Amino acid sequence: DQQVKQNSPSLSVQEGRISILNCDYTNSMFDYFLWYKKYPAEGPTFLISISSIKDKNEDGRFTVFLNKSAKHLSLHIVPSQPGDSAVYFCAASVRGYQKVTFGTGTKLQVIP
Amino acid sequence: EAQVTQNPRYLITVTGKKLTVTCSQNMNHEYMSWYRQDPGLGLRQIYYSMNVEVTDKGDVPEGYKVSRKEKRNFPLILESPSPNQTSLYFCASMFAGSDTQYFGPGTRLTVL
Repeated sequence: DQQVKQNSPSLSVQEGRISILNCDYTNSMFDYFLWYKKYPAEGPTFLISISSIKDKNEDGRFTVFLNKSAKHLSLHIVPSQPGDSAVYFCAASVRGYQKVTFGTGTKLQVIP
Repeated sequence: EAQVTQNPRYLITVTGKKLTVTCSQNMNHEYMSWYRQDPGLGLRQIYYSMNVEVTDKGDVPEGYKVSRKEKRNFPLILESPSPNQTSLYFCASMFAGSDTQYFGPGTRLTVL
């Protein structure tokens, strides 16, 4: 049972435009959400997170939006740059339990 | 430099030949975890450890063993590898109470 789903395996965006990566979850107990970025031949690295008490968190070009009623979150990258080309994993956890559930990943390609 | 290291980075072996993938972190993290990444399935947790001598199963523990005798090390043991364990493996660590994990560079395992 995939509790965290990223329904788009891949996404191509022109440099300078907005990239929107989506993530859906089914477990209503999740109260903390993270995005990780992964380059080939490297491990994932933390990008940005959001607590369920917020609906938006921004860090430079990266913004994460959370819609709890829809059990949906999205990552916006504006403007997109070629260096953003990577696989992005959505992840969710229940705070205090230290178990993180990851999604299947979305491969983003930013075309120069 | 704060890091999570894994060895080996690449391994080709045959069915039934016991192997160990080592993981070490130098950040004094209490929590360590093993994941496998497979196409279309994302990152799935194999085992995790909350501290020394405390380990628990993740989502896909079958065919794997772990031990946590020292805080910095968390080896993954495959006592009788099978071809369905061919995968990309990641070790991760974080402080207890945190939600942000630090990942190693990955170990690509092929079982023939």
